[in-house]
Amino acid sequence: SQQGEEDPQALSIQEGENATMNCSYKTSINNLQWYRQNSGRGLVHLILIRSNEREKHSGRLRVTLDTSKKSSSLLITASRAADTASYFCAPIPFGNEKLTFGTGTRLTIIP
Amino acid sequence: NAGVTQTPKFQVLKTGQSMTLQCAQDMNHEYMSWYRQDPGMGLRLIHYSVGAGITDQGEVPNGYNVSRSTTEDFPLRLLSAAPSQTSVYFCASSSSGTGTEAFFGQGTRLTVV
Repeated sequence: SQQGEEDPQALSIQEGENATMNCSYKTSINNLQWYRQNSGRGLVHLILIRSNEREKHSGRLRVTLDTSKKSSSLLITASRAADTASYFCAPIPFGNEKLTFGTGTRLTIIP
Repeated sequence: NAGVTQTPKFQVLKTGQSMTLQCAQDMNHEYMSWYRQDPGMGLRLIHYSVGAGITDQGEVPNGYNVSRSTTEDFPLRLLSAAPSQTSVYFCASSSSGTGTEAFFGQGTRLTVV
């Protein structure tokens, strides 16, 4: 399956702390995308990292990609209550037209 | 800019009824897709389309039909609703398939009784 597997399944941290979640996948990829889903809402795109990139930043978000280990991580620094959400990764193999998701990491920020 | 619009937001159906979930996007995106999300689960791909006139099956296509007669619209049809189709349905679009970011609608919450 091309789906990513997010780890941990759930994570609770204090506001202000950093949150790290991981994504592992099985096949070679063209790119990998991270999305956020607030409760009951549609997914929102966070970052797309291509297979020839190792790290990418967007505001308080930092994504790394290790193609040799077939894994990616999403770091959220200085967490806020508004970061409480589920986070999903989507590894995209070359030539693949299907955007598929795993079960996600449920992040809870404790005020 | 409306983005991806799904209608209705909520729907209750009786077993055996049929209905169409509507999805429209105003970004001139070629790629559109439908997902279902069950409680505590991720999104599962039902059908997708890479352009007008072209559709293909995703991970869980049984019980659902789609068509893509225009770039803007991608309706999802339930031919004979079953309680197992109770779920939240999301539509998404992107400009060029899986190489670019996808934009999601706000979802349709469907209950089949």
